[in-house]
Amino acid sequence: AQTVTQSQPEMSVQEAETVTLSCTYDTSENNYYLFWYKQPPSRQMILVIRQEAYKQQNATENRFSVNFQKAAKSFSLKISDSQLGDTAMYFCAFMKQEETSGSRLTFGEGTQLTVNP
Amino acid sequence: DTGVSQDPRHKITKRGQNVTFRCDPISEHNRLYWYRQTLGQGPEFLTYFQNEAQLEKSRLLSDRFSAERPKGSFSTLEIQRTEQGDSAMYLCASSLIFGVNGYTFGSGTRLTVV
Repeated sequence: AQTVTQSQPEMSVQEAETVTLSCTYDTSENNYYLFWYKQPPSRQMILVIRQEAYKQQNATENRFSVNFQKAAKSFSLKISDSQLGDTAMYFCAFMKQEETSGSRLTFGEGTQLTVNP
Repeated sequence: DTGVSQDPRHKITKRGQNVTFRCDPISEHNRLYWYRQTLGQGPEFLTYFQNEAQLEKSRLLSDRFSAERPKGSFSTLEIQRTEQGDSAMYLCASSLIFGVNGYTFGSGTRLTVV
């Protein structure tokens, strides 16, 4: 079974600064997908960024980028130029290759990020 | 398309009562998923459908839980004889046939069993 660990229950950052959220996972699979989801207070979960394990290049989406270290099974999220609207719970999630998973996501416990003005 | 809709947003029920939640996915999405999220935790997989077929159920889905997706459109999740431990946010999500591009989540139904 896969496990996803987010060791930082809470983090805070000043507006316009950069913050990195950590995620590690455990799997015996070689092909899989990793995701970061954002869940603002009382609002729906939104996909922030995704990474295919077979790609060495780190994914980037505007101010959001990842540091994917496959050998270390690490998948951190960097948020640059933090904005007040980035305040949310962030979840790291793992998905095995489709043929064996049915696209099931395994989530970490989340990191509550607060961006301070 | 307005995304994934869930109804109701909140439900308070007495222990022992039955409750039913509804999820309307994005119309062109074949896959529909149910997850449960307790306070301060990440979502946990319950079950998923591909069109009208329920392809997998988690061990979390006890005999008191049943899910359907008639005609491959909307889905319902029913909990019979609710218990206080069923109190949680129930999330629905949908995706194209392969979910590797990520899901679209609904806003969830928050269930409180008193």
